[in-house]
Amino acid sequence: KAGVTQTPRYLIKTRGQQVTLSCSPISGHRSVSWYQQTPGQGLQFLFEYFSETQRNKGNFPGRFSGRQFSNSRSEMNVSTLELGDSALYLCASSINPGQGFSSYNEQFFGPGTRLTVL
Amino acid sequence: KQEVTQIPAALSVPEGENLVLNCSFTDSAIYNLQWFRQDPGKGLTSLLLIQSSQREQTSGRLNASLDKSSGRSTLYIAASQPGDSATYLCAVRANAGGTSYGKLTFGQGTILTVHP
Repeated sequence: KAGVTQTPRYLIKTRGQQVTLSCSPISGHRSVSWYQQTPGQGLQFLFEYFSETQRNKGNFPGRFSGRQFSNSRSEMNVSTLELGDSALYLCASSINPGQGFSSYNEQFFGPGTRLTVL
Repeated sequence: KQEVTQIPAALSVPEGENLVLNCSFTDSAIYNLQWFRQDPGKGLTSLLLIQSSQREQTSGRLNASLDKSSGRSTLYIAASQPGDSATYLCAVRANAGGTSYGKLTFGQGTILTVHP
């Protein structure tokens, strides 16, 4: 069974540009979450999608947005890039956290997209 | 606001030692707790997940315990090996009204080095 895949793996952008990152969850997983990882702040939650609906959102500015498609694939977009947006962006999927079964809650992470803003 | 702290920040041990990593959280209203490992420049690998109603989980040489009332979890690694060298992260999911819809909050991690 294929794991979580993220594209692209590496990205270099300049300030002011926008970027779109893609995440394909494990087959059968309906929940997708996004995280930003930086050396200073560690791992921070961006948002979570389930069945094309944003179910939860972290404390990030409106420049960060996301969406989920009917096949559970998800994209996140960052507009007007700033130097501080340089980070590893991680996507995680799980089966269906709302069901309460332990196995449905476990989050599996992709390899991440390394974004560098110059 | 949930805060997760991991102690120690870094640990260096000789191969074969048993070791304990600690994780504490400020809000005991959690849905579950998950331990991950991260190799440099890579994504996270899930190690163990403990539901709030459980006290421990085991997988191979790993054992994780949870004491929700005191806001603590420990990850025990038996007979450590150089391949265990990585950053270990603990994450708690908030209990949003009895559901798992709360966000995941991570600790800063413990950097483990196991030398031959």
